Amino acid sequence: GAVVSQHPSWVICKSGTSVKIECRSLDFQATTMFWYRQFPKQSLMLMATSNEGSKATYEQGVEKDKFLINHASLTLSTLTVTSAHPEDSSFYICSARGGTSGTDTQYFGPGTRLTVL
Amino acid sequence: DQQVKQNSPSLSVQEGRISILNCDYTNSMFDYFLWYKKYPAEGPTFLISISSIKDKNEDGRFTVFLNKSAKHLSLHIVPSQPGDSAVYFCAASAASGGSYIPTFGRGTSLIVHP
Repeated sequence: GAVVSQHPSWVICKSGTSVKIECRSLDFQATTMFWYRQFPKQSLMLMATSNEGSKATYEQGVEKDKFLINHASLTLSTLTVTSAHPEDSSFYICSARGGTSGTDTQYFGPGTRLTVL
Repeated sequence: DQQVKQNSPSLSVQEGRISILNCDYTNSMFDYFLWYKKYPAEGPTFLISISSIKDKNEDGRFTVFLNKSAKHLSLHIVPSQPGDSAVYFCAASAASGGSYIPTFGRGTSLIVHP
């Protein structure tokens, strides 16, 4: 299957700093990329959807000025957590899809564990 | 309000037996369903999917059954193996309606004992 990578796999930062997480589709062009957040023992919460070259669409309740998403190319999307606080500590997972059909498979990255001190 | 529900947070099964993971949904617009498997500290891996025009889809040891009238689907794993121990997420989307972003359930943690 298709491969999606994330970098870094884990990061610890101080409160108030910004953290950038990269998501790359390694062997296919991702028309659409998704960013999820997962709390312990909870489901994957969709944060935003991004299409290459256009602004991301954020889910209700997700602050777009805090979680900056850039989908600059068909293989790279970045999520920047600005002015991070301890409550932003979570497991962030990206996924990518090559097509726009509802039946195209999403391929997930391995996730990034963010801990804000 | 959860549109995709996995009411069993965990399931324990003996190796070689059948594992049955259940999922219920409330949105009648959902017409495409997926199961993902997730190990700790890793991203989910796609397992199997089913369109609403079918009621069964099989891939090796994995079979997904869909009961549209009951808005219920299930994933059967047979025979279960210790390596199947993971969290399984059910997801649903309204693909034909253009809203192709899946909604995920909370997951069921499967433990397969040797």
